[in-house]
Amino acid sequence: AIQMTQSPSSLSASVGDRLTITCRASQGIRNDLGWYQQKPGKAPKLLIYAASSLQSGVPSRFSGSGSGTDFTLTISSLQPEDFATYYCLQDYNYPWTFGQGTKVEIK
Amino acid sequence: QVQLVESGGGVVQPGRSLRLSCAASGFTFNTYGVHWVRQAPGKGLEWVAGISYNGRSEFYADSVKGRFTISRDNTKNTLYLQMNSLRAEDTAVYYCARENMVRGADYYYYYMDVWGKGTTVTVSS
Repeated sequence: AIQMTQSPSSLSASVGDRLTITCRASQGIRNDLGWYQQKPGKAPKLLIYAASSLQSGVPSRFSGSGSGTDFTLTISSLQPEDFATYYCLQDYNYPWTFGQGTKVEIK
Repeated sequence: QVQLVESGGGVVQPGRSLRLSCAASGFTFNTYGVHWVRQAPGKGLEWVAGISYNGRSEFYADSVKGRFTISRDNTKNTLYLQMNSLRAEDTAVYYCARENMVRGADYYYYYMDVWGKGTTVTVSS
């Protein structure tokens, strides 16, 4: 199975900060990668698909980039509602695999 | 509105079985693949299983292969997860999610765009 490694595992940031989360695949996955946001006690929410396509209704401060093995999720200006855990997911082949998550906390 | 609602969770002893259901509404269920994703207490997300729109193709995580079976009834707009030989490590919130796809230049991209709220499975003696 393809391993997805996210970094960092957690971070503290302030409102207005620019944030970057990275995800590395153990083998090339083209750009078959999505980013999901999860808040405590809630279901995950799709933010980005196909590595860089913004899901409908998701604020434009979220963006994704990358291809092959290295991917990034960027939040251009962190808002209070963005404090959550973020996961990458490869859908290149089965079994699909998530990264271990990045918890974004308030500084 | 587009909705997925899971049910069937509960407390079960190790080695026993449980069947989860996921009722879909607000969209044409028989044109979408669907998946199960779980989250153990305090842990990250784990993809569990997926099934094609017509039920002909099934896919599983190594951790559940041979023990869990995903299925669907398109006449009832319902997805199932039959879980046998349950273990303590299967304790988790189980989510169902709709698979959507978009056509790229050379191939299709897949993603899970609609999620249920989850149902909790606890495996304990």
